[in-house]
Amino acid sequence: AQSVTQPDIHITVSEGASLELRCNYSYGATPYLFWYVQSPGQGLQLLLKYFSGDTLVQGIKGFEAEFKRSQSSFNLRKPSVHWSDAAEYFCAVGGGGSYIPTFGRGTSLIVHP
Amino acid sequence: DAGVIQSPRHEVTEMGQEVTLRCKPISGHNSLFWYRQTMMRGLELLIYFNNNVPIDDSGMPEDRFSAKMPNASFSTLKIQPSEPRDSAVYFCASSPGVSSGNTIYFGEGSWLTVV
Repeated sequence: AQSVTQPDIHITVSEGASLELRCNYSYGATPYLFWYVQSPGQGLQLLLKYFSGDTLVQGIKGFEAEFKRSQSSFNLRKPSVHWSDAAEYFCAVGGGGSYIPTFGRGTSLIVHP
Repeated sequence: DAGVIQSPRHEVTEMGQEVTLRCKPISGHNSLFWYRQTMMRGLELLIYFNNNVPIDDSGMPEDRFSAKMPNASFSTLKIQPSEPRDSAVYFCASSPGVSSGNTIYFGEGSWLTVV
């Protein structure tokens, strides 16, 4: 069975600083990987996804993520954080076919001015 | 294109009352999901449908919860009778299916408070 771990419950960064949110997955084959963002009072919005090919994936809002098979990781990065990036971030792993994505518990991003 | 549409966005109801949440998936999507989100338990998958057929309802907490999908453009999640512990945000989501790697698109949620 697939699973995903987001080791950090909360992350605090200063506005303008770089950001990396960690995601580790467990899946027996090539995973399908996703990052979502949930702003307060909103639904989950897809930031980016990885299925195959280039392991560095670009998403919306200036985010990117890198798939590292050897580390079973799919960390989300942004070079310069804006106050509006404060939100909950969810990583998800699926396997295609009948395997619907499994979501992590989320990481809450706090941005200090 | 319109996203997943949920109604009501907010509902406050008294314990024991019936609650019906509604969802219109994205046109052309063949999978539909109902999730529940709480602080304590995070995001939980309650049930999902493929081509209007329930595939996995193992996440439905108890018999008070039921979900239907009478056609490709409409689904309901019903709680009868409601209890205070059902207070949560309920998300409906849809997916184009295998062709998209089962990418899931969420609605804005229905905020339910049972008093």
